[in-house]
Parts: sequence; C-alpha cells; structure tokens
Amino acid sequence: DAGVIQSPRHEVTEMGQEVTLRCKPISGHDYLFWYRQTMMRGLELLIYFNNNVPIDDSGMPEDRFSAKMPNASFSTLKIQPSEPRDSAVYFCASSLFWGGQGADTQYFGPGTRLTVL
Amino acid sequence: AQSVAQPEDQVNVAEGNPLTVKCTYSVSGNPYLFWYVQYPNRGLQFLLKYITGDNLVKGSYGFEAEFNKSQTSFHLKKPSALVSDSALYFCAVRADNYGQNFVFGPGTRLSVLP
Repeated sequence: DAGVIQSPRHEVTEMGQEVTLRCKPISGHDYLFWYRQTMMRGLELLIYFNNNVPIDDSGMPEDRFSAKMPNASFSTLKIQPSEPRDSAVYFCASSLFWGGQGADTQYFGPGTRLTVL
Repeated sequence: AQSVAQPEDQVNVAEGNPLTVKCTYSVSGNPYLFWYVQYPNRGLQFLLKYITGDNLVKGSYGFEAEFNKSQTSFHLKKPSALVSDSALYFCAVRADNYGQNFVFGPGTRLSVLP
C-alpha cells in the first residue's frame, strides 16, 4: 500500500481565499483523523471520522473550518475564508480499529504545509 | 480530561550511549500509550504502543518503553543511540473510555552527537 496520501504538499494562498486539503487513507482503514501542527500549539486533533461519519469535531477551531468524508477513500479539509493564523502543517492519519484490541496504530500522511499570506 | 507531558524540550546524548525520552500522562480511564517519531518535513511514524499486558514494550529500531502505572509514566528508551535517531519524538495517549480522541505531547527533540 502507498500509505496515506495527502495533496497538495505545499499550499500558499492569500488571506480570504478558500483552501481545500485532500487525503486518501490507507485502503481498509475505518478511522480517519485530521491534525494541525504548529510551533506554538504542537499537534492538535481537529476532527476524526469512523466509517465516513464525523465522530468528534470539537477540535475544529471555528466555523471557517469544515471537513467531509464522502467515501472510504477520500476526505477533505476546507478553510473558508483562510487567515494568516491558519498557517500550519496539516496531517491526515488513518487507522484500523479491532474491537478486541482497542486502540490502534495511526498511520500519518506526509502533511500539507499551508501558508496564508 | 486527558493530557500528556514531555518535560524535556531537548535531549542530547552521545552516540553509543543509552537514551531516555520522558513522558507522563493523565487520563480518567485505562491509558493506551504510544510513541511516534517525526523526521524533518515528514509525517509521524509509529514506534511502539502499550495497550495491556507486559509493562515493557519493544518497538521499531531497537526502541522500548516501560509503562509505570503508579508514576503514570511511559518513558522511551534505547540501549545504544545512533546519530540517525536524531528526530522529534512524540508521546500520545488516549483513554479506553474516550473514543479515538488522542492527545499528543509537545514533543522532545533528540540530538545524538557523533
């Protein structure tokens, strides 16, 4: 498997523009996570899905952020309108949950480095 | 609430010496504990995890970690450090009764000096 795929790898945009980040999880994985990493705040969980359904979006910073998972092989994180403080590295991760084993290993994508000017 | 502390921002160790990267946690239920490593401009890579069972967990690249319930710690160790181990290390935790809400520590930068 190619692992978790994220696109684009780098995105530079101007304040006020819409930004869409994309993620393809590992085939067969039933959990998908979106994280944001900054120097100031470290790694933050934004939202996660189970079987394409959003389970917890309490980490989404505000209404400008939205995430969707229309099918098992694709998810998007959208920021509209973008602001300079949104500049960060955004990671997508996926995992496979075995009920008997409990917590499972998350596999991370390479990240999207977003710069909002 | 869940939380993870990594008390050292930076750890320096000479190549060939043992290394320890510290992690303490706080959860309301039973903890599931993880260590990840991040190399520059890369995503996080899984090293090892503790779910249940033996308190000493062995993982990738010769790393191991010991779960200590009384001290609520999960320190990462390696008997002999390599220069290639230099990276950013993250400890993560989630409670067994709190869904898949993982909390990551702030990270510890490990520098192995030749």
